[in-house]
Amino acid sequence: EGQLVESGGGLVQPGGSLRLSCAASGFSLRSYWMNWVRQAPGKGLEWVASIKQDVSEKYYVDSVKGRFTISRDNAKNSVFLQMNSLGVEDTAVYFCARGWHYNDRGTYDWNPFDYWGQGTLVTVSS
Amino acid sequence: DIQMTQSPSSLSASVGDRVTITCRASQGPGIYLAWYQQKPGKVPKLLIYAASTLQSGVPSRFSGSGSGTDFTLTISSLQPEDVATYYCQKYNSAPFTFGPGTKVDIK
Repeated sequence: EGQLVESGGGLVQPGGSLRLSCAASGFSLRSYWMNWVRQAPGKGLEWVASIKQDVSEKYYVDSVKGRFTISRDNAKNSVFLQMNSLGVEDTAVYFCARGWHYNDRGTYDWNPFDYWGQGTLVTVSS
Repeated sequence: DIQMTQSPSSLSASVGDRVTITCRASQGPGIYLAWYQQKPGKVPKLLIYAASTLQSGVPSRFSGSGSGTDFTLTISSLQPEDVATYYCQKYNSAPFTFGPGTKVDIK
Protein backbone atom coordinates (compact mmCIF):
# COMPACT_ATOMS: atom_id res chain seq x y z
CA GLU A 1 0.00 0.00 0.00
CA GLY A 2 1.56 3.28 -1.07
CA GLN A 3 1.74 6.35 1.08
CA LEU A 4 2.63 9.98 0.49
CA VAL A 5 3.61 12.31 3.32
CA GLU A 6 3.94 16.07 2.80
CA SER A 7 5.93 18.41 5.00
CA GLY A 8 7.27 21.95 4.98
CA GLY A 9 4.10 23.97 5.34
CA GLY A 10 3.72 26.81 7.80
CA LEU A 11 3.16 30.53 8.27
CA VAL A 12 5.05 32.85 5.96
CA GLN A 13 4.84 36.57 5.27
CA PRO A 14 3.76 37.88 1.87
CA GLY A 15 6.71 37.86 -0.48
CA GLY A 16 8.35 35.01 1.38
CA SER A 17 9.31 31.51 0.32
CA LEU A 18 8.63 27.95 1.40
CA ARG A 19 9.77 24.55 0.15
CA LEU A 20 7.32 21.70 0.42
CA SER A 21 8.42 18.08 0.39
CA CYS A 22 6.50 14.91 -0.37
CA ALA A 23 8.01 11.58 0.60
CA ALA A 24 6.72 8.35 -0.87
CA SER A 25 6.77 4.99 0.85
CA GLY A 26 5.51 1.58 -0.19
CA PHE A 27 6.24 2.25 -3.86
CA SER A 28 8.96 3.79 -5.99
CA LEU A 29 7.87 7.09 -7.50
CA ARG A 30 10.60 6.95 -10.17
CA SER A 31 8.10 5.57 -12.70
CA TYR A 32 5.28 8.01 -11.93
CA TRP A 33 4.38 11.54 -12.84
CA MET A 34 3.94 13.42 -9.59
CA ASN A 35 1.63 16.33 -8.91
CA TRP A 36 0.79 19.08 -6.46
CA VAL A 37 -2.82 20.09 -5.84
CA ARG A 38 -3.97 22.82 -3.46
CA GLN A 39 -7.18 23.73 -1.71
CA ALA A 40 -7.74 27.20 -0.31
CA PRO A 41 -9.90 27.38 2.84
CA GLY A 42 -13.50 26.59 1.96
CA LYS A 43 -12.68 26.31 -1.75
CA GLY A 44 -12.32 23.55 -4.32
CA LEU A 45 -9.36 21.57 -5.56
CA GLU A 46 -6.87 23.35 -7.81
CA TRP A 47 -4.18 21.52 -9.76
CA VAL A 48 -0.88 23.38 -9.25
CA ALA A 49 2.02 21.55 -10.91
CA SER A 50 3.16 18.26 -12.42
CA ILE A 51 6.52 16.67 -13.19
CA LYS A 52 7.33 13.79 -15.50
CA GLN A 53 9.10 10.76 -14.08
CA ASP A 54 12.38 11.67 -15.84
CA VAL A 55 12.09 15.43 -15.09
CA SER A 56 11.97 16.25 -18.82
CA GLU A 57 8.54 17.90 -18.58
CA LYS A 58 7.05 20.21 -15.97
CA TYR A 59 3.72 22.00 -16.03
CA TYR A 60 2.21 24.73 -13.87
CA VAL A 61 -1.11 26.46 -13.42
CA ASP A 62 -0.85 29.99 -14.82
CA SER A 63 -1.19 31.66 -11.41
CA VAL A 64 2.09 30.14 -10.13
CA LYS A 65 4.25 30.21 -13.26
CA GLY A 66 7.54 31.96 -12.60
CA ARG A 67 7.06 31.71 -8.81
CA PHE A 68 6.79 27.97 -8.08
CA THR A 69 9.17 25.22 -9.14
CA ILE A 70 8.41 21.52 -8.97
CA SER A 71 11.31 19.10 -8.69
CA ARG A 72 11.99 15.53 -7.66
CA ASP A 73 14.73 13.27 -6.34
CA ASN A 74 13.93 9.73 -7.41
CA ALA A 75 16.82 8.35 -5.35
CA LYS A 76 15.21 9.84 -2.23
CA ASN A 77 11.71 8.86 -3.42
CA SER A 78 10.61 12.45 -2.98
CA VAL A 79 9.06 15.35 -4.84
CA PHE A 80 9.31 19.02 -3.93
CA LEU A 81 7.57 22.35 -4.51
CA GLN A 82 9.66 25.48 -4.12
CA MET A 83 7.32 28.43 -3.64
CA ASN A 84 8.66 31.98 -3.97
CA SER A 85 7.02 35.42 -3.93
CA LEU A 86 4.13 34.02 -1.95
CA GLY A 87 0.91 35.99 -1.78
CA VAL A 88 -2.16 35.68 0.45
CA GLU A 89 -3.90 33.97 -2.48
CA ASP A 90 -1.47 31.04 -2.10
CA THR A 91 -2.86 30.20 1.35
CA ALA A 92 -4.09 26.63 1.06
CA VAL A 93 -3.60 23.02 1.99
CA TYR A 94 -1.12 21.57 -0.48
CA PHE A 95 -1.49 17.90 -1.43
CA CYS A 96 0.92 15.79 -3.42
CA ALA A 97 -0.65 13.12 -5.59
CA ARG A 98 0.59 10.25 -7.72
CA GLY A 99 -0.26 10.44 -11.40
CA TRP A 100 0.48 8.64 -14.63
CA HIS A 101 2.45 5.42 -14.36
CA TYR A 102 5.19 4.68 -16.92
CA ASN A 103 5.04 0.90 -17.14
CA ASP A 104 7.52 -1.84 -18.04
CA ARG A 105 6.23 -1.91 -21.63
CA GLY A 106 7.39 1.67 -22.12
CA THR A 107 3.89 3.10 -22.25
CA TYR A 108 1.67 4.96 -19.82
CA ASP A 109 -1.18 3.45 -17.82
CA TRP A 110 -2.99 6.83 -18.13
CA ASN A 111 -4.26 6.57 -14.56
CA PRO A 112 -5.63 9.58 -12.64
CA PHE A 113 -4.42 10.76 -9.23
CA ASP A 114 -4.77 7.53 -7.26
CA TYR A 115 -2.70 8.22 -4.13
CA TRP A 116 -2.83 11.46 -2.17
CA GLY A 117 -0.91 12.69 0.81
CA GLN A 118 -2.68 14.11 3.86
CA GLY A 119 -1.71 17.65 2.87
CA THR A 120 0.35 20.42 4.45
CA LEU A 121 -1.06 23.85 5.29
CA VAL A 122 0.57 26.96 3.90
CA THR A 123 -0.60 30.23 5.41
CA VAL A 124 0.58 33.50 3.87
CA SER A 125 -0.13 36.38 6.21
CA SER A 126 1.55 39.40 7.77
CA ASP B 1 -6.87 25.47 -21.61
CA ILE B 2 -9.85 23.19 -21.13
CA GLN B 3 -12.42 24.45 -18.63
CA MET B 4 -14.41 22.07 -16.46
CA THR B 5 -17.88 22.89 -15.16
CA GLN B 6 -20.15 20.94 -12.83
CA SER B 7 -23.84 21.12 -12.08
CA PRO B 8 -25.44 21.54 -9.73
CA SER B 9 -23.02 23.30 -7.38
CA SER B 10 -24.89 21.77 -4.47
CA LEU B 11 -27.82 19.49 -3.84
CA SER B 12 -29.80 18.12 -0.95
CA ALA B 13 -31.48 14.74 -1.26
CA SER B 14 -33.10 12.11 0.94
CA VAL B 15 -31.53 8.83 1.92
CA GLY B 16 -32.28 6.32 -0.81
CA ASP B 17 -32.66 8.92 -3.54
CA ARG B 18 -30.92 8.66 -6.88
CA VAL B 19 -28.45 11.51 -7.29
CA THR B 20 -26.92 12.69 -10.56
CA ILE B 21 -24.04 15.14 -10.98
CA THR B 22 -22.96 16.43 -14.37
CA CYS B 23 -19.50 17.47 -15.51
CA ARG B 24 -18.84 19.25 -18.79
CA ALA B 25 -15.49 19.92 -20.45
CA SER B 26 -14.95 22.80 -22.86
CA GLN B 27 -12.99 20.34 -25.01
CA GLY B 28 -13.28 16.58 -24.81
CA PRO B 29 -10.77 14.71 -22.64
CA GLY B 30 -11.88 11.51 -24.31
CA ILE B 31 -12.53 8.95 -21.61
CA TYR B 32 -9.84 10.42 -19.33
CA LEU B 33 -12.26 11.78 -16.82
CA ALA B 34 -12.13 10.95 -13.11
CA TRP B 35 -14.44 11.58 -10.17
CA TYR B 36 -13.24 12.19 -6.61
CA GLN B 37 -15.08 12.30 -3.32
CA GLN B 38 -13.90 14.61 -0.54
CA LYS B 39 -15.50 14.41 2.86
CA PRO B 40 -15.14 17.42 5.18
CA GLY B 41 -11.60 17.69 6.51
CA LYS B 42 -10.44 14.64 4.56
CA VAL B 43 -8.21 13.87 1.61
CA PRO B 44 -9.82 13.48 -1.83
CA LYS B 45 -10.57 9.88 -2.71
CA LEU B 46 -10.63 8.51 -6.25
CA LEU B 47 -14.06 7.03 -7.04
CA ILE B 48 -14.18 6.54 -10.79
CA TYR B 49 -11.64 6.74 -13.62
CA ALA B 50 -11.81 6.36 -17.38
CA ALA B 51 -15.27 7.95 -17.09
CA SER B 52 -16.98 4.76 -15.94
CA THR B 53 -14.54 2.40 -14.18
CA LEU B 54 -15.09 2.01 -10.46
CA GLN B 55 -11.95 2.25 -8.33
CA SER B 56 -11.35 -0.85 -6.21
CA GLY B 57 -13.30 -0.78 -2.95
CA VAL B 58 -15.81 1.85 -4.04
CA PRO B 59 -19.45 0.84 -3.41
CA SER B 60 -21.37 -0.24 -6.47
CA ARG B 61 -24.05 2.42 -5.88
CA PHE B 62 -21.58 4.81 -7.52
CA SER B 63 -21.40 4.80 -11.30
CA GLY B 64 -20.04 7.02 -14.03
CA SER B 65 -20.92 7.50 -17.65
CA GLY B 66 -20.26 9.75 -20.60
CA SER B 67 -17.63 10.49 -23.18
CA GLY B 68 -16.48 13.40 -25.26
CA THR B 69 -17.41 16.53 -23.32
CA ASP B 70 -20.31 15.44 -21.09
CA PHE B 71 -20.01 13.13 -18.11
CA THR B 72 -22.23 12.00 -15.25
CA LEU B 73 -21.69 10.65 -11.75
CA THR B 74 -24.66 8.79 -10.33
CA ILE B 75 -25.30 7.60 -6.81
CA SER B 76 -28.10 5.07 -7.19
CA SER B 77 -29.25 5.17 -3.56
CA LEU B 78 -27.85 8.00 -1.46
CA GLN B 79 -26.46 6.98 1.93
CA PRO B 80 -25.59 9.19 4.92
CA GLU B 81 -21.89 8.41 4.44
CA ASP B 82 -22.04 9.89 0.93
CA VAL B 83 -22.24 13.43 2.30
CA ALA B 84 -19.25 15.03 0.60
CA THR B 85 -18.11 17.28 -2.20
CA TYR B 86 -17.59 15.56 -5.54
CA TYR B 87 -15.09 16.77 -8.14
CA CYS B 88 -14.51 15.76 -11.72
CA GLN B 89 -11.04 16.02 -13.27
CA LYS B 90 -9.60 15.68 -16.75
CA TYR B 91 -6.35 13.75 -16.86
CA ASN B 92 -5.65 13.23 -20.55
CA SER B 93 -2.99 15.93 -20.52
CA ALA B 94 -1.70 18.80 -18.43
CA PRO B 95 -3.21 21.00 -17.07
CA PHE B 96 -5.08 18.36 -15.03
CA THR B 97 -7.99 20.66 -14.28
CA PHE B 98 -10.63 19.92 -11.67
CA GLY B 99 -14.26 20.93 -11.84
CA PRO B 100 -15.52 23.39 -9.19
CA GLY B 101 -17.20 20.66 -7.16
CA THR B 102 -20.71 19.60 -6.19
CA LYS B 103 -21.62 19.53 -2.52
CA VAL B 104 -24.04 16.75 -1.58
CA ASP B 105 -25.88 16.60 1.68
CA ILE B 106 -28.87 14.85 3.20
CA LYS B 107 -32.29 16.51 3.27
